[in-house]
This record gives sequence, C-alpha cells and structure tokens, in this order.
Amino acid sequence: TQLLEQSPQFLSIQEGENLTVYCNSSSVFSSLQWYRQEPGEGPVLLVTVVTGGEVKKLKRLTFQFGDARKDSSLHITAAQPGDTGLYLCAGVGYGQNFVFGPGTRLSVLP
Amino acid sequence: DAGITQSPRHKVTETGTPVTLRCHQTENHRYMYWYRQDPGHGLRLIHYSYGVKDTDKGEVSDGYSVSRSKTEDFLLTLESATSSQTSVYFCAISDLQGIGSNQPQHFGDGTRLSIL
Repeated sequence: TQLLEQSPQFLSIQEGENLTVYCNSSSVFSSLQWYRQEPGEGPVLLVTVVTGGEVKKLKRLTFQFGDARKDSSLHITAAQPGDTGLYLCAGVGYGQNFVFGPGTRLSVLP
Repeated sequence: DAGITQSPRHKVTETGTPVTLRCHQTENHRYMYWYRQDPGHGLRLIHYSYGVKDTDKGEVSDGYSVSRSKTEDFLLTLESATSSQTSVYFCAISDLQGIGSNQPQHFGDGTRLSIL
C-alpha cells in the first residue's frame, strides 16, 4: 500500500510570513497533485506536477516535485488570510488510484 | 465549478439502519468516486466507477456498496450502518482516465454522516 505523509500537521502563522509544507512517501508516483480544502467544502485542485525535479509557480505558491518522484513541497510567499485551509497532496501511482496524504492545516492570522 | 451535487449534506441515523448517499453530476464525466475523510487519515477511497454498471472496490470498501445505473448518478449504500462509519463522505468525478492518470478529480461539498 502506498502511503503519503504530510508535515507539519498544523501550522499557524502571521500574515506576510513565508512557509513550506511537505509531502513525503517511500513510494514512487507518476505524478503528484496538491489540493486546498476549505471548511464545509470539497478539495479543489491547485496543481499537478509530473516530472521529477519539476517546479511550478502559481502566483505566490511554488510547488516542487522531488527528483526521485517520492516527495513534494509547497512554498507560500507572503501568506495571506485567504490562504487558510487544509492542504492535501495526492499521489498518482502507476496504474493505481489516487492516494491522499492526511493534510496540513494552515491558519494565516491577520 | 464542476457540477457535482451530493445529497443529503447532513444526516444523523442510528446503528443498524440502512443509509444511501447520492452523488449527481452534470459534467458527463466517466469516472466517479466515493471517499471518506477522517481526521489523521486524509481521503480514503471506498469505491469507484468507470462507467454505467461498472464499479470496483477501493481501499476501505468493507460495509459499503455502490450502484451506477446512469452516467450522472453514483449511489453509496451502507447496508447496516455502524458507528465506525461516522465520517464526512465526498464524491468526486474525473474525465478521461482518472485512475493512474494525471487527470484532476473534482469534488462535491461532502455529506456529514453521524451514526449514533
């Protein structure tokens, strides 16, 4: 069974600070997706990374896929209260279903 | 936003009773999924469907059954609900080949189910 771990589990920061959250596994994935989930809603896709070592930027969010395709990171620059939410990574295995990590719950205080 | 509607949004029921959750999509996507979300576990796949009348088990399928008689509807049934099935249930859809591909999943807003 493929497993994904995310760290930290909880993160509370002040508006304007930078942060990085991590998604790690001992398994190799064909691609990895990041979702953000707000209370009372379903997860919404932020990005998909496909190539080992790939870096994608989405405004203030930077996503990186590890060279070995086993891990990924999400860096947020100058966090804003609107970034508050649960960040989920999901690994797409070769010929298998999505595997979701437990999530990092981010709170950005004004 | 993808057209996905889950019903009911909230339900409280007693142990031993049957429960059916409905997922309805207006996107004509081939793949539909049922997940449960519990603290510390993330989203875990219960069952999925790759077409009308075509379904398969996920990671945590025991105690659950599904049916898909139309492209737009995917039903999740708890034949005899137990307290361990208290959770938030999400339906998701994806186009093309959702399994093992890069296609994103679009999620509904969830059903909060409490079994007393």
